[in-house]
Amino acid sequence: SAVISQKPSRDICQRGTSLTIQCQVDSQVTMMFWYRQQPGQSLTLIATANQGSEATYESGFVIDKFPISRPNLTFSTLTVSNMSPEDSSIYLCSGEANYNEQFFGPGTRLTVL
Amino acid sequence: GENVEQHPSTLSVQEGDSAVIKCTYSDSASNYFPWYKQELGKGPQLIIDIRSNVGEKKDQRIAVTLNKTAKHFSLHITETQPEDSAVYFCAARSGNNRLAFGKGNQVVVIP
Repeated sequence: SAVISQKPSRDICQRGTSLTIQCQVDSQVTMMFWYRQQPGQSLTLIATANQGSEATYESGFVIDKFPISRPNLTFSTLTVSNMSPEDSSIYLCSGEANYNEQFFGPGTRLTVL
Repeated sequence: GENVEQHPSTLSVQEGDSAVIKCTYSDSASNYFPWYKQELGKGPQLIIDIRSNVGEKKDQRIAVTLNKTAKHFSLHITETQPEDSAVYFCAARSGNNRLAFGKGNQVVVIP
């Protein structure tokens, strides 16, 4: 299995500011993903982080709001830009290892005031 | 796209009893079905998975069954313990290679 860490684990931010979340995997993964989870809700895929190229965004998510980088096979960042209270959520990084197994990080709990 | 439905939304069981969570999926091309356990304040943890070429898989007290014809799969937890209390998510991977998640099931094990 892959062990995934995220930084920060939580943050409280002012509206209009931006926050960058870092994700580190302890082994190479084929795919990396970013999800959002509202409290008590299921997981919503934001985008697939592609190594060395632009991320692939799901419907309803755009690069200007959620820029993503993936400079190598084990590291990715997600930025939540120009934040508003509606962006308050848990942001989860995920990596797909061999045999389709997909693992998740512990999440970043974001509160926007 | 794939649509995964999960029932029931909440399940309470006495410690030592069995718990069963059922999910249905819509895309017959889906071929991979993982289950995740999420404890409060933590990320989802992969606990068991099954592929479309297998009908059942077991790992200690946890088992998953798959009925491809009916397009449903179930998680079975036997001899439940208080530490089994969590939210459980089922998911299905379809042709677009993305996991579609169910809405989650809150399992409460009563000591």
